[in-house]
Amino acid sequence: FMLTQPHSVSESPGKTVTISCTRSSGNIASNYVQWYQQRPGSAPTTVIYDDDQRPSGVPDRFSGSIDSSSNSASLTISGLKTEDEADYYCQSYDTSNHVLYWVFGGGTRLTVL
Amino acid sequence: QLQLQESGPGLVKPSETLSLTCSVSGDSMTSNKYYWGWIRQPPGKGLEWIGSIDYRGTTFYNPSLKSRVTMSVDTSKSQFSLKMNSMTAADPAVYYCARLLPWGGHSGDYWGPGILVTVSS
Repeated sequence: FMLTQPHSVSESPGKTVTISCTRSSGNIASNYVQWYQQRPGSAPTTVIYDDDQRPSGVPDRFSGSIDSSSNSASLTISGLKTEDEADYYCQSYDTSNHVLYWVFGGGTRLTVL
Repeated sequence: QLQLQESGPGLVKPSETLSLTCSVSGDSMTSNKYYWGWIRQPPGKGLEWIGSIDYRGTTFYNPSLKSRVTMSVDTSKSQFSLKMNSMTAADPAVYYCARLLPWGGHSGDYWGPGILVTVSS
């Protein structure tokens, strides 16, 4: 399956933005979804794991959810700050047919302007 | 503190084989909780999972790359490796090694800094 994200989103500081991640086949709820933030020149870091869990140190402005009706996951960032400007990737797992594959979405460039 | 570091040539000729090694320090590789993975990122593009291996040598490869990829692990040296053959102009990327959890969870972000690989004659 594939995970499809919008190529880019932009919003003003202080506002709220939501980034979607749509699974092409299979149930989005079947496998956990992780969200990574990547700043230029750096490796990705986790902002949401297991659909809606926040690692320690990640502000509660970051939240995650899944929606089975649209077969998608979402990352919501509220109270946007300029430091949130980065690329965001969703990632899930393909465990069909006794395999274990890590699947990444194509990434979304967040611009805070 | 767990640390990972990629090493290998930054330049590979077309049709040749890329060989990269990831050295792991600060913790043992011999836990059945983790997989050790390779992820690449072409310049200006997104992340692509290449494959994962556990400490016993069980491997899973991206189906789109499976025919070209071999991964191995040497726990005595705290290293795991990637070989990708038939390199082409589509393969230049930053190649990252990382410790990965299967199926979900979070136990910290442990990625190497990445190594830029160029394909050119």
